[in-house]
Amino acid sequence: EAQVTQNPRYLITVTGKKLTVTCSQNMNHEYMSWYRQDPGLGLRQIYYSMNVEVTDKGDVPEGYKVSRKEKRNFPLILESPSPNQTSLYFCASSSLIRGASYNEQFFGPGTRLTVL
Amino acid sequence: QKEVEQNSGPLSVPEGAIASLNCTYSDRGSQSFFWYRQYSGKSPELIMFIYSNGDKEDGRFTAQLNKASQYVSLLIRDSQPSDSATYLCAGGPMFSGGYNKLIFGAGTRLAVHP
Repeated sequence: EAQVTQNPRYLITVTGKKLTVTCSQNMNHEYMSWYRQDPGLGLRQIYYSMNVEVTDKGDVPEGYKVSRKEKRNFPLILESPSPNQTSLYFCASSSLIRGASYNEQFFGPGTRLTVL
Repeated sequence: QKEVEQNSGPLSVPEGAIASLNCTYSDRGSQSFFWYRQYSGKSPELIMFIYSNGDKEDGRFTAQLNKASQYVSLLIRDSQPSDSATYLCAGGPMFSGGYNKLIFGAGTRLAVHP
């Protein structure tokens, strides 16, 4: 089954304790992205990657890191989480096949993070 | 700042009625538009995309795009209680084999009551 998986689904942590949220896709997609979703603000892009070892900042990258060492995985790292990073996080992936008329982004199930 | 604006709702419609969801965007460079449905606590799922001016129909859903007015809409005919969800509008560049950034609106919550 084609899917994007995220782990953990729920996480409660404390300020300053480093954490990693994993994201994996089995569709051989080139493009992967992390979003956070907050009430009234919609989905905001944190970081994206267009292929292995190619990553770039989105709209709200402060306090986050990512890596893309393998095509299927795109972990999100919070080195020193703070309460304002409490949010619902989504990983998404899509194909960048040349010639496609559109490139649907497939979303993972989400990770609800609470930083105390 | 590139923005996609949506009325947060809730938009309440009776079962069987037409629900009309609207979205405006500020970036004239946006060429393709997507409507995602998101049930509470779930991830967004794509229901429609459109990149040409005019209407596009798929079952009970019709997407409308007016690039001159920078306006996108989604009509849901014969609304069902199962359509109750938040609908996210997103805009992005026409596919070019490269960058795939979408700008999302905050979503409109639709409530279909029996």
